[in-house]
Amino acid sequence: KAGVTQTPRYLIKTRGQQVTLSCSPISGHRSVSWYQQTPGQGLQFLFEYFSETQRNKGNFPGRFSGRQFSNSRSEMNVSTLELGDSALYLCASSLTPMGNNEQFFGPGTRLTVL
Amino acid sequence: QQQVKQSPQSLIVQKGGIPIINCAYENTAFDYFPWYQQFPGKGPALLIAIRPDVSEKKEGRFTISFNKSAKQFSLHIMDSQPGDSATYFCAARGRNQGGKLIFGQGTELSVKP
Repeated sequence: KAGVTQTPRYLIKTRGQQVTLSCSPISGHRSVSWYQQTPGQGLQFLFEYFSETQRNKGNFPGRFSGRQFSNSRSEMNVSTLELGDSALYLCASSLTPMGNNEQFFGPGTRLTVL
Repeated sequence: QQQVKQSPQSLIVQKGGIPIINCAYENTAFDYFPWYQQFPGKGPALLIAIRPDVSEKKEGRFTISFNKSAKQFSLHIMDSQPGDSATYFCAARGRNQGGKLIFGQGTELSVKP
């Protein structure tokens, strides 16, 4: 089975621009979560999608948004980029959000904001 | 209350040693505790996970010890190898919190040959 895939792997943007990142979950997995990883703040939960609905949200400003498609693929968008948005953005998938389903992470998208 | 505190920040052991990484939490609603291993340039990989109704779980060379009353859990790596050199994260998830994992700050482990 193919793992979680994320595209693109690397992105360089300038302040004020917007960016869209994509995540394809493991086949059969219907829940997708997004995390931001930085050296200072570590791994922080952004949001989770299941059945095309946002099920849970972390403590990030409204500039961070996401969506999920009927095939469970997910995208996240960051508008009006700031320097502090430079981070590794990770996507994780699981079968469903219920119970103790294991989450499997993709390789991440490294975003650099100049 | 949502924090997971992880220690130490970094750890150096000799090959064959048993590194121990500790985590502590406050929120008694947490009911799932996974450990992840991350190599540079890669996403975190699930190593092993435990629920609070179990005090110990072993998978290969990795063991989680769980102390529910102390609200602490730890990862032991038996017979550590240079290939185990990576960053290790503990995490916790609350009941009905779906995919929302709360992560510790990470421990950078170096295993010397």
